[in-house]
Formats: sequence, C-alpha cells, structure tokens
Amino acid sequence: GAVVSQHPSWVICKSGTSVKIECRSLDFQATTMFWYRQFPKQSLMLMATSNEGSKATYEQGVEKDKFLINHASLTLSTLTVTSAHPEDSSFYICSARETSGRGDEQFFGPGTRLTVL
Amino acid sequence: GENVEQHPSTLSVQEGDSAVIKCTYSDSASNYFPWYKQELGKRPQLIIDIRSNVGEKKDQRIAVTLNKTAKHFSLHITETQPEDSAVYFCAASRDSSASKIIFGSGTRLSIRP
Repeated sequence: GAVVSQHPSWVICKSGTSVKIECRSLDFQATTMFWYRQFPKQSLMLMATSNEGSKATYEQGVEKDKFLINHASLTLSTLTVTSAHPEDSSFYICSARETSGRGDEQFFGPGTRLTVL
Repeated sequence: GENVEQHPSTLSVQEGDSAVIKCTYSDSASNYFPWYKQELGKRPQLIIDIRSNVGEKKDQRIAVTLNKTAKHFSLHITETQPEDSAVYFCAASRDSSASKIIFGSGTRLSIRP
C-alpha cells in the first residue's frame, strides 16, 4: 500500500513556542490530506482537511489561527501549532487518500507526539 | 454534523471466543466503512473495510456486516487470539479521495488467556 511519513516522530517544546509537523505522501500524490489529534485513550478527532493549493477546511471548534496548515505540493502538508500550550500536548496524525482513485483506503502517517512543557 | 457511535467502549473475551463491535452512523450519504486496529502509540491499521453495495465481507477470522437502511455496521472477530488485543475503531466516509473519515469512539478489546 501507499506510504505516508511524518516528521518529527516526537517533539518537546516550551510553552509559547511554535512547532511544525510535516506530512508527506511518499509514493503517491495527495490532493487532500487530513490532520487528526488523539488524546490518551480517546479516538482520533479530525482537526482539518488540507487541500493542495487552497485553504484548509477546519472542523468546528478548531482554531485556524492556532493550527496553521499549508499544503504547498501534492506530496507535502504541514501543520504548525502556534504558541503551543500544555493542553496542546497530544498525538497528531496525518493521513491521505490516494488521488488516483485506485481505492478509498486512507493511509496514515506514523504520528507525532507533541509534549508542551 | 456527521457522527459515528461505537459500542462497547471496552470488551473482554476469552481466548477462542468471538468478539462483536457495533457502530451506527448519521450521514446517510456515507458509503465507505473502514475498521482500524490501533496499538499503543502506533498509527491505526486498516483491518477490513466495506462499501455500501455489499452487505457482508469476510477476511479469515474477521468479518464486517452493513445494514445501510438502519445505518448500522458491525465487526466480528472469531477464534480470538491474544494478539487481537488492541483498540478498534470503526469509521464512516463518503466514497471519494477528498472526503473526510469520521471515527467512532473506539473499543478496547482484551483477550483473556
């Protein structure tokens, strides 16, 4: 199956700083990528849909000015957590569904564990 | 908005017995229903999926059923093994690469030896 990578796999930062997480589709092009957040023992909550060449679509309750998404190419989407605070500590996972339409399967990145001190 | 409900939240079964997890969805336009297995600290892994033109699908010990009229779908694991212990998520989506996938709340499955 297709491969989605994420970088970094984990990051620790100080409160008030910004953190950028990269999501790459390695062997396919992804017009659309998705960003999820998962708190311990909870489900994956969709944060936003990242669209190549246009603005991201944010889910209700997600602050677009705090979680900046850029999808500059068909293989890369980035999520920047601005002015991070301890409550932003979570597991962030990106995913992509293959643009070619071969199937509907969604491919997940390995996740990024963010810890804000 | 779209919603997927999943039950039970925890499930403990004896090794060798069957496990059943049930989900309902709200968006009648959903036509793609994947199931994921997630181990601690790892990404979700697709274990089986079903589309709305099919009522049942089976892959070895895993089967999924779909009742589109009732907006219900279920995961069945037979002859459970210790390695089946994990968190399982159902999800629902429309059938396109641009459509978001909405997850259920998850079921923590434990297999008792």
